[in-house]
Amino acid sequence: AQKVTQAQTEISVVEKEDVTLDCVYETRDTTYYLFWYKQPPSGELVFLIRRNSFDEQNEISGRYSWNFQKSTSSFNFTITASQVVDSAVYFCALSEALTGANNLFFGTGTRLTVIP
Amino acid sequence: EAQVTQNPRYLITVTGKKLTVTCSQNMNHEYMSWYRQDPGLGLRQIYYSMNVEVTDKGDVPEGYKVSRKEKRNFPLILESPSPNQTSLYFCASTKNSGQQITVSSYEQYFGPGTRLTVT
Repeated sequence: AQKVTQAQTEISVVEKEDVTLDCVYETRDTTYYLFWYKQPPSGELVFLIRRNSFDEQNEISGRYSWNFQKSTSSFNFTITASQVVDSAVYFCALSEALTGANNLFFGTGTRLTVIP
Repeated sequence: EAQVTQNPRYLITVTGKKLTVTCSQNMNHEYMSWYRQDPGLGLRQIYYSMNVEVTDKGDVPEGYKVSRKEKRNFPLILESPSPNQTSLYFCASTKNSGQQITVSSYEQYFGPGTRLTVT
């Protein structure tokens, strides 16, 4: 069965520090998709990235970067030079081609607090 | 503006009083879905729909009903709400149905959420 584990429940960092949010997944499918969503204090869900299982290239978008490693079933998210606006709950999610590419299985989330 | 709307945004109700949370998208998306978010559990899928008149259970469907009579609307119905359905509910939609095994998953657009309290 599919599973997404975000072992870090809460993280606090001081502004400008780098922070990495961990995500470990389990799946039996060979075709799957991984996502990160941000939920700021206002409550909406903001899409950050989608990765498919055949693309292990790391991605960088501004201060955000993602490290996808199939060998360790991990899809970690790093924020460089964190800012107060990065304070939010971050969710990692997985979907599988076999059980429905759009049916997302979410981790329990990591609450990031950036202290000014 | 492309968006997913939900109504109401906040609702306090009593046990057993039927209620409907509406969800509408203006992007002509085929796929729509409902999730509930609870502390420490993340988001869990309740029901989803790959197209009009096609719905299926997610991970936590008990106590909920859905219908998809039109492409743009996907209401969530609680026939007899109970306190354990107190939660934050999100509707989502995405372009493709996700039905074919090889089809790629697309970004899902989420509604703003509905905070439901059942007393």
